[in-house]
Amino acid sequence: QVQLVQSGAEVKEPGTSVKVSCKAFGYTFTGQNIHWVRQAPGQGLEWMGWINPGSSVTDLAQKFQGRVALTRDTSISTAYMELSSLKFDDTAVYYCARNAPGIYYWGQGTLVTVSS
Amino acid sequence: QSALTQPRSVSGSPGQSVAISCTGTTSDVGSSVYVSWYQQQAGKVPKLMIYDVNQRPSGVPDRFSGSKSGNTASLTISGLQAEDEGDYYCLSYAGSYFVFGGGTRLTVL
Repeated sequence: QVQLVQSGAEVKEPGTSVKVSCKAFGYTFTGQNIHWVRQAPGQGLEWMGWINPGSSVTDLAQKFQGRVALTRDTSISTAYMELSSLKFDDTAVYYCARNAPGIYYWGQGTLVTVSS
Repeated sequence: QSALTQPRSVSGSPGQSVAISCTGTTSDVGSSVYVSWYQQQAGKVPKLMIYDVNQRPSGVPDRFSGSKSGNTASLTISGLQAEDEGDYYCLSYAGSYFVFGGGTRLTVL
């Protein structure tokens, strides 16, 4: 069945970068866009962007343009989200998720903690 | 790219109906067929409840329904049950990006 498995929790210092991976199982990886969504502690969901794994075309929320890079490696059915120039308020759970339609399939989430 | 507007909280007793609104603009909710709703219970991953304004994924009870009028989408839950308690978020496509609502906490009294 469809599964999205994300990389483990990260602790990073302010100003550095983090790269979260999302490995897809159970479907044709290039067939559906992958969304990235984050949720700060006690806060709501925030859409960051998405990537078409087939073409590698991406769209990003304006807030993240210039600071987020979405990439993919089709040979291993894995999508990546890299967030640079980390700030304390980037501390959040980061989710990858797949269109089905609607965002039906979600990864388990990756906690990124920004701390000095 | 502002968040869609949802009430912070709603509540209802078991068996009652509640509606959660999601107000956007002509650039997102008002012009999109891609409005969806998500339920998130404490410590869990969000769950898709409605997609494409009013479509229910398999396995979601028909007590959950979606609609849209102008720039406002709505999620209605009829026959409230204790297990419906949680946070609800709307999401709309806006041409080249998506935007979530701020979330609504549903309390079953």
